[in-house]
Amino acid sequence: AQSVTQLGSHVSVSEGALVLLRCNYSSSVPPYLFWYVQYPNQGLQLLLKYTSAATLVKGINGFEAEFKKSETSFHLTKPSAHMSDAAEYFCAVSEITGGGNKLTFGTGTQLKVEL
Amino acid sequence: GAVVSQHPSRVICKSGTSVKIECRSLDFQATTMFWYRQFPKQSLMLMATSNEGSKATYEQGVEKDKFLINHASLTLSTLTVTSAHPEDSSFYICSARGGLASYNEQFFGPGTRLTVL
Repeated sequence: AQSVTQLGSHVSVSEGALVLLRCNYSSSVPPYLFWYVQYPNQGLQLLLKYTSAATLVKGINGFEAEFKKSETSFHLTKPSAHMSDAAEYFCAVSEITGGGNKLTFGTGTQLKVEL
Repeated sequence: GAVVSQHPSRVICKSGTSVKIECRSLDFQATTMFWYRQFPKQSLMLMATSNEGSKATYEQGVEKDKFLINHASLTLSTLTVTSAHPEDSSFYICSARGGLASYNEQFFGPGTRLTVL
C-alpha cells in the first residue's frame, strides 16, 4: 500500500527566504510523485510531478523537487519565497501498478509567508 | 492545462434532501473521474473512482447508496448526495484524467462547498 507523510502541518518563512516542504513516501513499487497547491476554497493545481525520468523536477512558479529513492523523499523547494506562495501544499503518490492508479495524498502543509 | 469545472460551487440544503454536483472536463475526454471529500484543514480523501460507462468503484467506508456517482459521458460525471445530513457538509472536489496511466495528470475542479442545515 502506498502512503505519504508530510512533516510539518505549518511552515512559516520570510519573504525571500528558502522554502522547504518535506514529503516522504511509502510504496511497494516505483512510484509517481506529485506536488499540488491549493488556495482557499479552490481545487488543486499541479506544481510538478516525478515520473521516473530526471530525479530533479522543475515545476511552475519557481518550485522544484528532488526524488531521492534512498531516503524515500520528494521534498519541495523554492529558493525565494513570495507572498503569493502562501497556500496549502499537498504531496501525493500514485503507484505504477495496482492501487487502481489512485492518488494518495499527504495531510498537507500550510505555508505562510511573512514580510 | 486542461480545465475541469464543477457546478454548483456552493450549495446549501436542508437535511433529508438530495444534492447533485456536476463535474465536467471542458477541453478533453476524461476516461476516469475521481471524487474527493475534504474536511476543513484536512487532506483530500478519495471517495470513488469512475470510468466512463461503468459503475464507480467506491473506497472502503464510503456508502455507495448515499453517494451516487454517474459517469455517463467522457466529459461529465455527477455525484448525488442522497438524503443529506449535516455530517455530509464538506468540500467535494472532482478530478479528471484523460488516460489510464498512473503518471497521467489528474486535473482538479474548483470544488463544491456543501452545507447541510
